[in-house]
Amino acid sequence: NAGVTQTPKFQVLKTGQSMTLQCAQDMNHNSMYWYRQDPGMGLRLIYYSASEGTTDKGEVPNGYNVSRLNKREFSLRLESAAPSQTSVYFCASSENLAPRPNTEAFFGQGTRLTVV
Amino acid sequence: QKEVEQDPGPLSVPEGAIVSLNCTYSNSAFQYFMWYRQYSRKGPELLMYTYSSGNKEDGRFTAQVDKSSKYISLFIRDSQPSDSATYLCAMSADSGYSTLTFGKGTMLLVSP
Repeated sequence: NAGVTQTPKFQVLKTGQSMTLQCAQDMNHNSMYWYRQDPGMGLRLIYYSASEGTTDKGEVPNGYNVSRLNKREFSLRLESAAPSQTSVYFCASSENLAPRPNTEAFFGQGTRLTVV
Repeated sequence: QKEVEQDPGPLSVPEGAIVSLNCTYSNSAFQYFMWYRQYSRKGPELLMYTYSSGNKEDGRFTAQVDKSSKYISLFIRDSQPSDSATYLCAMSADSGYSTLTFGKGTMLLVSP
């Protein structure tokens, strides 16, 4: 049981380049999320998808787009990368929209992105 | 003032010590309180979940919420080197995950 799988694990981009971070979960969860984590900062929600077919902005959505491709997959796209987007990106999923009681969010291993 | 304040540490303790990790918050509407553990270069994993005020115990871990003081704590008894990680508090005002706010995390180092 792989849980939440993110690809790639590492990436270096030049300013202005675009890329898509992929996330897939095999737990049949309804809700999926994208967070970024920066040194000295907490986790900040970028976008989330409460269920297949829906997406909503989180705390820091500017510069990102998302696609809920199907129930399993939720991708994050950087159209024109900027150095300020250098971060560790985490995808997570939960059975229902957390944090209702007993609704745990499972996180992937993260993607370390550097924009130069 | 940030919504959630958490001392970044590092907090260094010897094996077997009782560890106290804390967060303060300013939003009185927060109802859901969580503690996550994050090992180096890994994703966070949920340790404890508490709704509203009170205590919750799970093995060596105890979570406390004092809403009157806007203060939450995580206690670890008989700490082990395997407890060495960063501990993140998180809280939310309602059931919408978009409102979840994380602290910056406290790094804990337990030496053998």
